[in-house]
Amino acid sequence: SQQGEEDPQALSIQEGENATMNCSYKTSINNLQWYRQNSGRGLVHLILIRSNEREKHSGRLRVTLDTSKKSSSLLITASRAADTASYFCAPNQAGTALIFGKGTTLSVSS
Amino acid sequence: KAGVTQTPRYLIKTRGQQVTLSCSPISGHRSVSWYQQTPGQGLQFLFEYFSETQRNKGNFPGRFSGRQFSNSRSEMNVSTLELGDSALYLCASLDPGQGRNEQFFGPGTRLTVL
Repeated sequence: SQQGEEDPQALSIQEGENATMNCSYKTSINNLQWYRQNSGRGLVHLILIRSNEREKHSGRLRVTLDTSKKSSSLLITASRAADTASYFCAPNQAGTALIFGKGTTLSVSS
Repeated sequence: KAGVTQTPRYLIKTRGQQVTLSCSPISGHRSVSWYQQTPGQGLQFLFEYFSETQRNKGNFPGRFSGRQFSNSRSEMNVSTLELGDSALYLCASLDPGQGRNEQFFGPGTRLTVL
């Protein structure tokens, strides 16, 4: 198992702006997943990108993966106040547990 | 399908006591993972059970233990509670048999140790 490291630790933006957060990891992976956690609640799966994919979209979310740099980014376009949450990445190897980093705390103000 | 459920949602214990938390996964999910979340340490992996066997284990002392039953429900136990065990305990389930890796999380159990 390996842990991803999210950057920045905290991000504050205005509604309507885009939010970008990054994830770095150390060894090869099968896939990388992004999760969101609203304050004090369980995590919610957002998107999974496989190691042979470079970009994936889901609604206002866009995830990229660069396996050569061992990094991923999550872009949230046209942010809303409801996007305020912590975001975690989880680089995943087959048969291993999902390990989470400390996350990026996103604050979207209206 | 019903989501992952955890009981109890809130719990207050005193130092030295023990506690048992329960997690019911989504129907058909045979893997259950447990996590501890604290402000200082973040989200830390405790262990994963699959088909009643512990498949992966994090770096926690032996006071933390778990088990999984034949219906995939899981329990975790913490003995000799310490103040530092105060945390949100999350469980998550997945169905690796479908070749999918997304975990589904429960709402968590908030444990306070006094």
